[in-house]
Amino acid sequence: GENVEQHPSTLSVQEGDSAVIKCTYSDSASNYFPWYKQELGKRPQLIIDIRSNVGEKKDQRIAVTLNKTAKHFSLHITETQPEDSAVYFCAASRNNNAGNMLTFGGGTRLMVKP
Amino acid sequence: EADIYQTPRYLVIGTGKKITLECSQTMGHDKMYWYQQDPGMELHLIHYSYGVNSTEKGDLSSESTVSRIRTEHFPLTLESARPSHTSQYLCATGNLGQTEQYFGPGTRLTVT
Repeated sequence: GENVEQHPSTLSVQEGDSAVIKCTYSDSASNYFPWYKQELGKRPQLIIDIRSNVGEKKDQRIAVTLNKTAKHFSLHITETQPEDSAVYFCAASRNNNAGNMLTFGGGTRLMVKP
Repeated sequence: EADIYQTPRYLVIGTGKKITLECSQTMGHDKMYWYQQDPGMELHLIHYSYGVNSTEKGDLSSESTVSRIRTEHFPLTLESARPSHTSQYLCATGNLGQTEQYFGPGTRLTVT
């Protein structure tokens, strides 16, 4: 089955700095890669995603890049703010009979210091 | 507003009790999922359904069972709760033909 590894497990940055979180996946058939943000005590929220036919996608201060050959993808957050502090999860999706199943990485706890 | 609802939000129960965690949605989605998550840790898929009368086990072995009698409802049942079942249970939904999944607020279960 699919295996997703995520690094680092914790990341502390100063407000205004950039943050980068990296994930690798094992199944070359995976074709959809979402990122979720989970604040303390809240539900995971989909913040950005990328499909295997695209190399990069950007939405304001967040961007995701995908390298299919190397089987890794990354989340980039620029100009970090204290409200960016949360646990971030990457995931890889593969299709089965009628839909898709997500395999999640272990999460990265991002702390943005004011 | 379309949303995913989970009840109860918090539950403390004794070993051996039968419990049902409820998940309902007004998203109009066909696909529904149950994930198990220890606080701040990765999510593990335990059950999923692509429509009424369709249920499958996920990647993580679980002693729970699910049913899907109505499109908007996907309850999860533990016949005999144990301390090892202590965790957060998250319900998610998705639309057929689309890959995005959206999560409910979760049920935090503690078995004493």
